[in-house]
Amino acid sequence: SQQGEEDPQALSIQEGENATMNCSYKTSINNLQWYRQNSGRGLVHLILIRSNEREKHSGRLRVTLDTSKKSSSLLITASRAADTASYFCATSPYDQAGTALIFGKGTTLSVSS
Amino acid sequence: SQTIHQWPATLVQPVGSPLSLECTVEGTSNPNLYWYRQAAGRGLQLLFYSVGIGQISSEVPQNLSASRPQDRQFILSSKKLLLSDSGFYLCAWSRRHTEAFFGQGTRLTVV
Repeated sequence: SQQGEEDPQALSIQEGENATMNCSYKTSINNLQWYRQNSGRGLVHLILIRSNEREKHSGRLRVTLDTSKKSSSLLITASRAADTASYFCATSPYDQAGTALIFGKGTTLSVSS
Repeated sequence: SQTIHQWPATLVQPVGSPLSLECTVEGTSNPNLYWYRQAAGRGLQLLFYSVGIGQISSEVPQNLSASRPQDRQFILSSKKLLLSDSGFYLCAWSRRHTEAFFGQGTRLTVV
């Protein structure tokens, strides 16, 4: 089952612009994570934000979490062509014994130079 | 350091043939292990996860099964493949409530 839903499904921007992707989820979580996937490859972890955190930064990435709205956003600042990829949010459910990560459908980001 | 190996990278199999995809993890013990499937241009669907040897949880009833014969080995199998089993299969490992590390995936085409 998929818990996260990313928005928009696709995003096209120019190099240097900022890219914002949103994620909504349904149940209580321990944490929320963002991953990146280059075409035809495995996923790479970008950042993890815990349920008691509201904002987190890592390089050009900024993630926010609003547990009252069950939503998160990923901001990539000063985008580069190399940022072109699909981005997924994943939730680690709070009450699931197996703690399996549940992924959304992803946002496809295209950055043109 | 921990690494995860998944093979083969690509596979073309006829309908009705068996399937065995293998995933192994190095550099850690007692990991949580996962199999996901990704349809073209879609998100990841959790198929199976395991928190220990012989412990398999199935998320979606289907034509596939999983086994964990050793602590760091996770196998995805099918006795008879269907056309609808085509997709991109990803193995991953993690600790409880931490980041997941993915293999490079297997592109399965059932013809």
